[in-house]
Amino acid sequence: GEDVEQSLFLSVREGDSSVINCTYTDSSSTYLYWYKQEPGAGLQLLTYIFSNMDMKQDQRLTVLLNKKDKHLSLRIADTQTGDSAIYFCAESRSNDYKLSFGAGTTVTVRA
Amino acid sequence: EAGVTQSPTHLIKTRGQQATLRCSPISGHTSVYWYQQALGLGLQFLLWYDEGEERNRGNFPPRFSGRQFPNYSSELNVNALELEDSALYLCASSLTGVSSGELFFGEGSRLTVL
Repeated sequence: GEDVEQSLFLSVREGDSSVINCTYTDSSSTYLYWYKQEPGAGLQLLTYIFSNMDMKQDQRLTVLLNKKDKHLSLRIADTQTGDSAIYFCAESRSNDYKLSFGAGTTVTVRA
Repeated sequence: EAGVTQSPTHLIKTRGQQATLRCSPISGHTSVYWYQQALGLGLQFLLWYDEGEERNRGNFPPRFSGRQFPNYSSELNVNALELEDSALYLCASSLTGVSSGELFFGEGSRLTVL
């Protein structure tokens, strides 16, 4: 969507770290999310971060939020072939329960 | 526990026809969302239903409509189909008023308009 922007493609070697970036426009965003879509499947929530946090770590996933620059990133450590998917950044605002999604970043993991 | 289910999986229509897509939320979820995923455009918000009422609507023409039934399942109708309506239509459900807003998605219904 227009409110959330992501780069469209990322190619990474197996075992390396992947970093997927996202920018959003609305400073009133309350939660920011990363969803994963594998081929032929719906979206699955990977992780989310509240807007007053700077960082959240969950196993191989690290989310960094720079609220001043309205920049969100997802780092995947030790990227595996099973991490090949489309990753969507999304944001929600207070009193507005719909999520606004970016166009998605297609991550391809090569051997 | 069953996840969000959508039907049909695939649907082929011609221009000018009508399409009806169906969604059953996770048991206990009262909110249903519809998104359109067209090639290269990401997810575009269509509609949000909660407790049987339309709560929010995205920037789509009125020929996109829907409803939510007393059992919280939902239907999306697209009238006067156009070629650009070809897309994957995703349904998601959530508990009402969950501030973290986690949505649980179905696998989608792929609509092809010829």
